[in-house]
Amino acid sequence: EAQVTQNPRYLITVTGKKLTVTCSQNMNHEYMSWYRQDPGLGLRQIYYSMNVEVTDKGDVPEGYKVSRKEKRNFPLILESPSPNQTSLYFCASSFLAGGPHGELFFGEGSRLTVL
Amino acid sequence: AQSVTQLGSHVSVSEGALVLLRCNYSSSVPPYLFWYVQYPNQGLQLLLKYTSAATLVKGINGFEAEFKKSETSFHLTKPSAHMSDAAEYFCAVSEGTGFQKLVFGTGTRLLVSP
Repeated sequence: EAQVTQNPRYLITVTGKKLTVTCSQNMNHEYMSWYRQDPGLGLRQIYYSMNVEVTDKGDVPEGYKVSRKEKRNFPLILESPSPNQTSLYFCASSFLAGGPHGELFFGEGSRLTVL
Repeated sequence: AQSVTQLGSHVSVSEGALVLLRCNYSSSVPPYLFWYVQYPNQGLQLLLKYTSAATLVKGINGFEAEFKKSETSFHLTKPSAHMSDAAEYFCAVSEGTGFQKLVFGTGTRLLVSP
Protein backbone atom coordinates (compact mmCIF):
# COMPACT_ATOMS: atom_id res chain seq x y z
CA GLU A 1 0.00 0.00 0.00
CA ALA A 2 1.31 3.44 -0.98
CA GLN A 3 1.82 5.50 2.13
CA VAL A 4 3.74 8.10 4.06
CA THR A 5 4.58 6.88 7.55
CA GLN A 6 5.42 9.15 10.45
CA ASN A 7 6.67 8.22 13.89
CA PRO A 8 5.90 8.86 16.63
CA ARG A 9 2.25 9.76 16.21
CA TYR A 10 2.13 11.32 19.66
CA LEU A 11 4.94 12.63 21.81
CA ILE A 12 5.18 14.64 25.00
CA THR A 13 8.63 15.93 25.81
CA VAL A 14 10.35 18.64 27.82
CA THR A 15 12.11 21.80 26.77
CA GLY A 16 15.60 21.21 25.45
CA LYS A 17 15.42 17.45 24.97
CA LYS A 18 16.42 16.66 21.41
CA LEU A 19 13.94 14.66 19.39
CA THR A 20 13.50 13.31 15.89
CA VAL A 21 10.28 12.70 14.02
CA THR A 22 10.79 10.18 11.28
CA CYS A 23 9.08 10.18 7.89
CA SER A 24 9.26 7.43 5.32
CA GLN A 25 7.48 7.02 1.96
CA ASN A 26 7.29 3.93 -0.22
CA MET A 27 6.26 5.62 -3.49
CA ASN A 28 9.74 6.54 -4.78
CA HIS A 29 8.82 10.24 -4.60
CA GLU A 30 11.58 12.77 -5.16
CA TYR A 31 9.86 15.59 -3.28
CA MET A 32 9.28 15.54 0.47
CA SER A 33 8.19 18.28 2.81
CA TRP A 34 7.38 19.00 6.45
CA TYR A 35 4.46 21.17 7.58
CA ARG A 36 3.18 22.24 10.94
CA GLN A 37 -0.51 22.79 11.56
CA ASP A 38 -1.66 25.24 14.21
CA PRO A 39 -5.22 26.42 14.97
CA GLY A 40 -6.13 29.45 12.92
CA LEU A 41 -2.88 29.35 10.96
CA GLY A 42 -3.46 26.40 8.66
CA LEU A 43 -0.44 24.51 7.36
CA ARG A 44 2.93 26.19 7.17
CA GLN A 45 5.92 24.69 5.44
CA ILE A 46 8.99 24.05 7.58
CA TYR A 47 11.48 22.44 5.17
CA TYR A 48 11.33 20.64 1.88
CA SER A 49 13.58 18.44 -0.21
CA MET A 50 13.65 18.07 -3.97
CA ASN A 51 15.84 14.96 -3.89
CA VAL A 52 18.57 13.17 -1.93
CA GLU A 53 20.97 15.65 -0.32
CA VAL A 54 18.88 18.61 -1.58
CA THR A 55 16.97 20.47 1.14
CA ASP A 56 15.72 24.02 1.57
CA LYS A 57 13.91 26.18 4.08
CA GLY A 58 10.19 26.75 3.98
CA ASP A 59 8.31 29.52 5.71
CA VAL A 60 8.99 28.59 9.34
CA PRO A 61 12.36 26.76 9.55
CA GLU A 62 13.64 28.26 12.81
CA GLY A 63 14.36 25.63 15.45
CA TYR A 64 14.24 22.70 13.03
CA LYS A 65 16.71 20.65 11.01
CA VAL A 66 16.21 18.05 8.32
CA SER A 67 18.30 15.63 6.35
CA ARG A 68 17.74 13.59 3.19
CA LYS A 69 20.33 10.85 3.03
CA GLU A 70 18.00 8.36 1.38
CA LYS A 71 15.21 8.97 -1.06
CA ARG A 72 12.53 7.38 1.10
CA ASN A 73 13.37 9.07 4.43
CA PHE A 74 13.10 12.68 5.54
CA PRO A 75 13.46 13.04 9.32
CA LEU A 76 12.61 16.26 11.16
CA ILE A 77 14.98 17.10 13.99
CA LEU A 78 14.28 19.43 16.90
CA GLU A 79 17.68 19.99 18.51
CA SER A 80 16.35 21.92 21.50
CA PRO A 81 12.57 21.91 21.51
CA SER A 82 10.67 24.82 23.01
CA PRO A 83 6.99 25.14 23.97
CA ASN A 84 6.24 27.20 20.84
CA GLN A 85 7.02 24.09 18.82
CA THR A 86 4.03 22.34 20.29
CA SER A 87 2.06 21.53 17.17
CA LEU A 88 0.72 18.92 14.78
CA TYR A 89 3.35 17.99 12.21
CA PHE A 90 2.77 16.51 8.78
CA CYS A 91 5.17 14.98 6.33
CA ALA A 92 4.18 14.97 2.66
CA SER A 93 5.66 13.65 -0.56
CA SER A 94 5.11 13.84 -4.29
CA PHE A 95 6.65 13.02 -7.63
CA LEU A 96 8.73 15.95 -8.76
CA ALA A 97 7.57 15.45 -12.30
CA GLY A 98 4.04 16.22 -11.14
CA GLY A 99 5.16 19.76 -10.41
CA PRO A 100 2.98 21.98 -8.27
CA HIS A 101 -0.03 20.54 -10.04
CA GLY A 102 0.59 17.11 -8.72
CA GLU A 103 -0.89 15.52 -5.67
CA LEU A 104 0.81 15.75 -2.31
CA PHE A 105 0.53 12.59 -0.22
CA PHE A 106 0.39 13.22 3.50
CA GLY A 107 1.28 11.17 6.53
CA GLU A 108 -1.20 10.86 9.39
CA GLY A 109 0.52 13.47 11.48
CA SER A 110 2.62 13.63 14.63
CA ARG A 111 1.23 15.53 17.58
CA LEU A 112 4.08 17.00 19.60
CA THR A 113 3.75 18.65 23.01
CA VAL A 114 6.74 20.42 24.53
CA LEU A 115 6.44 21.19 28.24
CA ALA B 1 3.40 36.23 -3.40
CA GLN B 2 0.37 34.04 -3.67
CA SER B 3 -2.07 33.52 -0.83
CA VAL B 4 -5.52 32.11 -0.13
CA THR B 5 -8.24 33.30 2.18
CA GLN B 6 -10.89 30.95 3.46
CA LEU B 7 -13.93 32.74 4.79
CA GLY B 8 -15.34 31.14 7.91
CA SER B 9 -13.34 28.91 10.18
CA HIS B 10 -16.49 26.84 10.83
CA VAL B 11 -19.47 26.10 8.62
CA SER B 12 -22.51 24.20 9.91
CA VAL B 13 -25.06 22.52 7.67
CA SER B 14 -27.82 19.98 8.06
CA GLU B 15 -27.59 16.62 6.39
CA GLY B 16 -28.96 16.95 2.86
CA ALA B 17 -28.30 20.68 2.65
CA LEU B 18 -26.02 22.45 0.21
CA VAL B 19 -22.38 22.75 1.22
CA LEU B 20 -20.53 25.93 0.24
CA LEU B 21 -16.98 26.55 1.43
CA ARG B 22 -15.39 29.78 0.25
CA CYS B 23 -11.88 30.34 -1.00
CA ASN B 24 -10.41 33.48 -2.53
CA TYR B 25 -6.90 33.58 -3.87
CA SER B 26 -4.28 36.15 -4.64
CA SER B 27 -1.73 35.43 -7.31
CA SER B 28 0.38 37.47 -9.69
CA VAL B 29 0.28 34.78 -12.36
CA PRO B 30 -2.38 32.26 -13.39
CA PRO B 31 -2.73 30.03 -10.37
CA TYR B 32 -3.12 26.36 -9.77
CA LEU B 33 -5.72 25.74 -7.07
CA PHE B 34 -6.46 22.80 -4.85
CA TRP B 35 -8.87 21.64 -2.20
CA TYR B 36 -7.64 19.14 0.38
CA VAL B 37 -9.75 17.42 3.04
CA GLN B 38 -8.62 16.30 6.48
CA TYR B 39 -10.76 13.77 8.32
CA PRO B 40 -10.34 13.49 12.10
CA ASN B 41 -6.95 12.11 13.13
CA GLN B 42 -5.82 11.72 9.54
CA GLY B 43 -3.54 13.49 7.11
CA LEU B 44 -4.75 15.62 4.26
CA GLN B 45 -5.91 14.11 0.99
CA LEU B 46 -6.56 15.73 -2.34
CA LEU B 47 -10.21 16.47 -3.08
CA LEU B 48 -9.80 18.22 -6.42
CA LYS B 49 -7.52 20.55 -8.35
CA TYR B 50 -7.70 23.25 -11.00
CA THR B 51 -4.82 23.46 -13.45
CA SER B 52 -6.12 25.83 -16.14
CA ALA B 53 -8.25 23.33 -18.03
CA ALA B 54 -12.02 23.36 -17.37
CA THR B 55 -13.13 26.02 -14.91
CA LEU B 56 -15.59 23.65 -13.24
CA VAL B 57 -13.67 20.90 -11.53
CA LYS B 58 -15.22 17.74 -10.16
CA GLY B 59 -13.62 15.91 -7.30
CA ILE B 60 -14.19 12.91 -5.12
CA ASN B 61 -17.26 12.28 -2.95
CA GLY B 62 -19.52 14.52 -5.03
CA PHE B 63 -17.62 17.76 -4.43
CA GLU B 64 -16.90 20.29 -7.14
CA ALA B 65 -15.35 23.74 -7.38
CA GLU B 66 -15.55 26.52 -9.91
CA PHE B 67 -12.65 28.76 -10.85
CA LYS B 68 -13.82 32.36 -11.34
CA LYS B 69 -11.00 34.59 -12.44
CA SER B 70 -13.08 37.78 -12.26
CA GLU B 71 -13.86 37.09 -8.61
CA THR B 72 -10.49 35.44 -7.79
CA SER B 73 -12.48 32.66 -6.20
CA PHE B 74 -12.44 28.88 -6.08
CA HIS B 75 -15.39 27.95 -3.87
CA LEU B 76 -16.11 24.33 -3.00
CA THR B 77 -19.65 23.01 -3.22
CA LYS B 78 -21.63 19.84 -2.76
CA PRO B 79 -25.37 19.70 -3.46
CA SER B 80 -26.30 17.49 -0.53
CA ALA B 81 -24.24 17.11 2.64
CA HIS B 82 -23.66 13.74 4.23
CA MET B 83 -22.63 13.06 7.79
CA SER B 84 -19.37 11.59 6.51
CA ASP B 85 -18.44 14.98 4.98
CA ALA B 86 -17.69 16.37 8.43
CA ALA B 87 -14.01 17.28 8.22
CA GLU B 88 -11.64 20.19 7.82
CA TYR B 89 -11.16 21.54 4.32
CA PHE B 90 -8.13 23.42 3.08
CA CYS B 91 -7.81 25.52 -0.02
CA ALA B 92 -4.30 25.83 -1.48
CA VAL B 93 -2.64 27.74 -4.29
CA SER B 94 0.50 27.31 -6.33
CA GLU B 95 1.79 29.77 -8.85
CA GLY B 96 3.29 27.03 -10.93
CA THR B 97 6.67 28.64 -11.17
CA GLY B 98 8.24 26.77 -8.29
CA PHE B 99 7.22 23.29 -7.31
CA GLN B 100 7.94 23.74 -3.65
CA LYS B 101 5.52 26.55 -3.04
CA LEU B 102 2.06 25.23 -2.23
CA VAL B 103 0.42 27.76 0.09
CA PHE B 104 -2.49 26.62 2.25
CA GLY B 105 -5.38 28.57 3.66
CA THR B 106 -6.28 28.46 7.34
CA GLY B 107 -8.93 25.81 6.85
CA THR B 108 -12.70 25.54 7.31
CA ARG B 109 -14.23 22.97 9.58
CA LEU B 110 -17.47 21.56 8.20
CA LEU B 111 -19.99 20.39 10.77
CA VAL B 112 -22.94 18.28 9.59
CA SER B 113 -25.94 17.80 11.83
CA PRO B 114 -28.64 15.14 11.41
